[in-house]
Amino acid sequence: DVKVTQSSRYLVKRTGEKVFLECVQDMDHENMFWYRQDPGLGLRLIYFSYDVKMKEKGDIPEGYSVSREKKERFSLILESASTNQTSMYLCASSLGPGISYEQYFGPGTRLTVT
Amino acid sequence: QQQVKQSPQSLIVQKGGISIINCAYENTAFDYFPWYQQFPGKGPALLIAIRPDVSEKKEGRFTISFNKSAKQFSLHIMDSQPGDSATYFCAANWDSGNTPLVFGKGTRLSVIA
Repeated sequence: DVKVTQSSRYLVKRTGEKVFLECVQDMDHENMFWYRQDPGLGLRLIYFSYDVKMKEKGDIPEGYSVSREKKERFSLILESASTNQTSMYLCASSLGPGISYEQYFGPGTRLTVT
Repeated sequence: QQQVKQSPQSLIVQKGGISIINCAYENTAFDYFPWYQQFPGKGPALLIAIRPDVSEKKEGRFTISFNKSAKQFSLHIMDSQPGDSATYFCAANWDSGNTPLVFGKGTRLSVIA
């Protein structure tokens, strides 16, 4: 069974902290994605990766960075967390090649920055 | 233009009724149109998808209708049930491209008994 896991369901951090959100998939998928979900704004793509050590900016990359050292793991990094980064963060993966393969989402991490 | 415009933002339907969610797109190169369903506390999951070589695709109570000339597609949920209460996202992409899905902003559906 396909599985995407995220390291935390809920996370509370202070302004200025460095935050790591981890995502692991067990499907040998090529592509991985990070989204944030906010009410009324839908799913907004932060970064994606279609290969190990490859990364591409999405629609809202400012304030975020990513790391993909292994195929199964894609990390989202908030270098200096701010209150406007309080959100639900969703990781997804897809088989590839081509980005339009079915995306499998993790359960999300609800991050609160105080 | 990459946008996919989805409406309505929220929808309340009586049990047994038909739920209809609409999406419109601008990019005529799009050739893959999936719908994702998200229950509270879960990530979205693929519900049904269509390619523009057909005008309709049906899976159980869920139907996608596609109008290529109008650049619109819609999700119909027949005999809506309380268990269908969820957020629905339409999306679009072109299969030959190496770009991510473009998602609509979502519709929060509540089916009331």
